[in-house]
Amino acid sequence: GQSLEQPSEVTAVEGAIVQINCTYQTSGFYGLSWYQQHDGGAPTFLSYNALDGLEETGRFSSFLSRSDSYGYLLLQELQMKDSASYFCAERNFNKFYFGSGTKLNVKP
Amino acid sequence: DTEVTQTPKHLVMGMTNKKSLKCEQHMGHRAMYWYKQKAKKPPELMFVYSYEKLSINESVPSRFSPECPNSSLLNLHLHALQPEDSALYLCASSQGRPGASYEQYFGPGTRLTVT
Repeated sequence: GQSLEQPSEVTAVEGAIVQINCTYQTSGFYGLSWYQQHDGGAPTFLSYNALDGLEETGRFSSFLSRSDSYGYLLLQELQMKDSASYFCAERNFNKFYFGSGTKLNVKP
Repeated sequence: DTEVTQTPKHLVMGMTNKKSLKCEQHMGHRAMYWYKQKAKKPPELMFVYSYEKLSINESVPSRFSPECPNSSLLNLHLHALQPEDSALYLCASSQGRPGASYEQYFGPGTRLTVT
């Protein structure tokens, strides 16, 4: 599989903004997705970037720079329910390879 | 209906048993996936079906045998598993058509324990 790097853990307070970075390999790259997974739950889709730039969906935004092989997920106005693991996933044609995941801890 | 269902939720099996995991979606998606997820690890892709044909096998051992009987159903047949195969098995689907969304919808998973 591919190799995607993410920070293992991030802690932030309610109401803050947090950015989770992801670097990926370029071989066969088609696009970058982001998924949220709560403990004991299934991954849920947050966003997908195929082209450079920012995609905004409510409190969540995702950015991609293909020239830098880099993307990030930006979470604004953090809420306690945002405490979860966040995975970037590289799309390689019809395959998806997940990063190691970032555990986000939101504190009051 | 944006739901992917999986049965059973939990499964305990011995190393000599044969069992099957089932996955179903009624969203008209033409791509379906099996993933394996160990605790505190990311999902690992196992198989991809596109228009009911196996398109990707990520070098999965033959004791795992996928089947796609029709566009809504995906099975994973298990035989002679090892204790290290204990994990959460996730099924997912996506539209699977050129130019369509690449959003994957995941089922709740089957938590498998091999004794």
